[in-house]
Amino acid sequence: DQQVKQNSPSLSVQEGRISILNCDYTNSMFDYFLWYKKYPAEGPTFLISISSIKDKNEDGRFTVFLNKSAKHLSLHIVPSQPGDSAVYFCAASVNNYGQNFVFGPGTRLSVLP
Amino acid sequence: DGGITQSPKYLFRKEGQNVTLSCEQNLNHDAMYWYRQDPGQGLRLIYYSQIVNDFQKGDIAEGYSVSREKKESFPLTVTSAQKNPTAFYLCASSSRPGNTGELFFGEGSRLTVL
Repeated sequence: DQQVKQNSPSLSVQEGRISILNCDYTNSMFDYFLWYKKYPAEGPTFLISISSIKDKNEDGRFTVFLNKSAKHLSLHIVPSQPGDSAVYFCAASVNNYGQNFVFGPGTRLSVLP
Repeated sequence: DGGITQSPKYLFRKEGQNVTLSCEQNLNHDAMYWYRQDPGQGLRLIYYSQIVNDFQKGDIAEGYSVSREKKESFPLTVTSAQKNPTAFYLCASSSRPGNTGELFFGEGSRLTVL
């Protein structure tokens, strides 16, 4: 049973518009959440994180929202750019320990020019 | 430049052969990890090491072995006991064993068993 779910395998968005990537989790003990971005044949790179004591964290064009009651988080990219085309992984952790990270299956974002 | 280096990037193996994937980091990180990625699945933890000369099994350790003789190095051996070894393997590190924050990943090694 997947503890971290990303129910949309793929998403296409027009350049300049907003991209919204969603992630749901089942373990209420998770208290730290991260988003990673991955290009083909490369390792994932860290994008943004949020602690469970917050409901929003912003970094430039990227904002992560956390809804603890719904066990749901989302990543907003505004405005979307073609270079954002990649696979995005949501990850969750208990106590922010690296060995406790659980990754979702990823969503492939395509930003169309 | 600091980072994590994995080699080889691509590797082909015959059934029944062991193969070792290299992972070296110059970030001075204490903790290192090995993940496996399969299509349509998230990254799954194989082994991790929080400190030199110590390592722990992750969720899918069967058929794999590791060593941590130096802080910089965490090689992974895929043994012939691993039933489905074809996958993309990722090595990662983090700055402290606990309360680590983000993981830093290498570029990955793709293993194909013929």
